[in-house]
Amino acid sequence: IVLTQSPGTLSLSPGERATLSCRASQSVDSNYLAWYQQKPGQAPRLLIYGASYRATGIPDKFSGSGSGTDFTLTISRLEPEDFAVYYCQYYIGSPRTFGQGTKVEIK
Amino acid sequence: QVQLQESGPGLVKPSETLSLTCTVTGGSITSDYWTWIRQPPGRGLEWIGNMFYSGGTNYNPSLKSRVTISGDPSKNQFSLRLTSVTVADTAVYFCARKDGTHWGQGILVTVSS
Repeated sequence: IVLTQSPGTLSLSPGERATLSCRASQSVDSNYLAWYQQKPGQAPRLLIYGASYRATGIPDKFSGSGSGTDFTLTISRLEPEDFAVYYCQYYIGSPRTFGQGTKVEIK
Repeated sequence: QVQLQESGPGLVKPSETLSLTCTVTGGSITSDYWTWIRQPPGRGLEWIGNMFYSGGTNYNPSLKSRVTISGDPSKNQFSLRLTSVTVADTAVYFCARKDGTHWGQGILVTVSS
């Protein structure tokens, strides 16, 4: 399974809505699709699992959706701390796979 | 709260073996499964493999011939061993619980003579 994220970079202003895409090379089980946020010098943080379930402590401005081959992470209103790199991951089978990441930068 | 901490040398010579340890607190390595992931500088995440203490291991095929992941329940640690390293193995190495519910802070390992 190859995961392709788009766009590579998303330039937005605080307060705007961010829509990130993750496309799988073949249909996948949405129960095993996750999204992570990574800030410079830090480990990734789990945001979403099972395509649409927020991990513990994740605010509801983050939401995930999708099925089959197309998945989306939406950040409803960007705050300064949301500017980071986001990865999708398919976490069943071997090897596990990550998308190449989408960088959300301040416009 | 589960916490993980990587440890090991930050510099390894080409052709030698990279050995890292992940110490787990707040949870037991005999439960769940445990994962190693790496990230070359400025690049994305690469899954190395995982360990089910009671049920075996899975490795990335691209690394399978060189990787071993094992656990020591007496110390509540699990380890990564990567043989015959090259400069391409330079990366930040992360340990994680399951597929990423909890992560260590990461350790930079540089392969250089």
